Amino acid sequence: EDQVTQSPEALRLQEGESSSLNCSYTVSGLRGLFWYRQDPGKGPEFLFTLYSAGEEKEKERLKATLTKKESFLHITAPKPEDSATYLCAVRLTQGGSEKLVFGKGTKLTVNP
Amino acid sequence: NAGVTQTPKFRILKIGQSMTLQCTQDMNHNYMYWYRQDPGMGLKLIYYSVGAGITDKGEVPNGYNVSRSTTEDFPLRLELAAPSQTSVYFCASRNRATGANVLTFGAGSRLTVL
Repeated sequence: EDQVTQSPEALRLQEGESSSLNCSYTVSGLRGLFWYRQDPGKGPEFLFTLYSAGEEKEKERLKATLTKKESFLHITAPKPEDSATYLCAVRLTQGGSEKLVFGKGTKLTVNP
Repeated sequence: NAGVTQTPKFRILKIGQSMTLQCTQDMNHNYMYWYRQDPGMGLKLIYYSVGAGITDKGEVPNGYNVSRSTTEDFPLRLELAAPSQTSVYFCASRNRATGANVLTFGAGSRLTVL
């Protein structure tokens, strides 16, 4: 079953056009939600960790927020260099061990 | 620091061949992981290790083996390669002391099985 769902699958923006990416999760006992950025041909790169509803983190043009059921990655006035695939992951406990479950990602393209 | 280094970057295998994907980290991280990433799918955990001499299965371990003889190295062995193992493989590591799953990933190894 899908425990982490990201939407949209792909998003095209014009430079300067702000928007948001969504990550919804259906796990109980969330032990952390993580955002990663992945450039083509590279491994994911860590962006943010969020632990509790209401928490927000910011980095340059990116702001991540968390509610009890979803997280948003807000992109303000994006630039072409923000083009990448953004991955969301949740940490949960299953069978006595912790695991990190990744969503399928949102591919963002920012056109100049 | 080099971070997490994976070799090879690309490899083509024939069905039934075997190979080892190498992963080395120079950050003295306790935890190491192997993920595979298929087109349009999320990263799936194959195996992980919490320290030298300790390994455990992830979600999709069938057809793979790992070992962790040192803190730095975590090779992934593919025995009897099958087309279903065509994927991009990522090795990652983290420090237990950080208390969070902030993973450092390698650049990936793209494997094609024909």
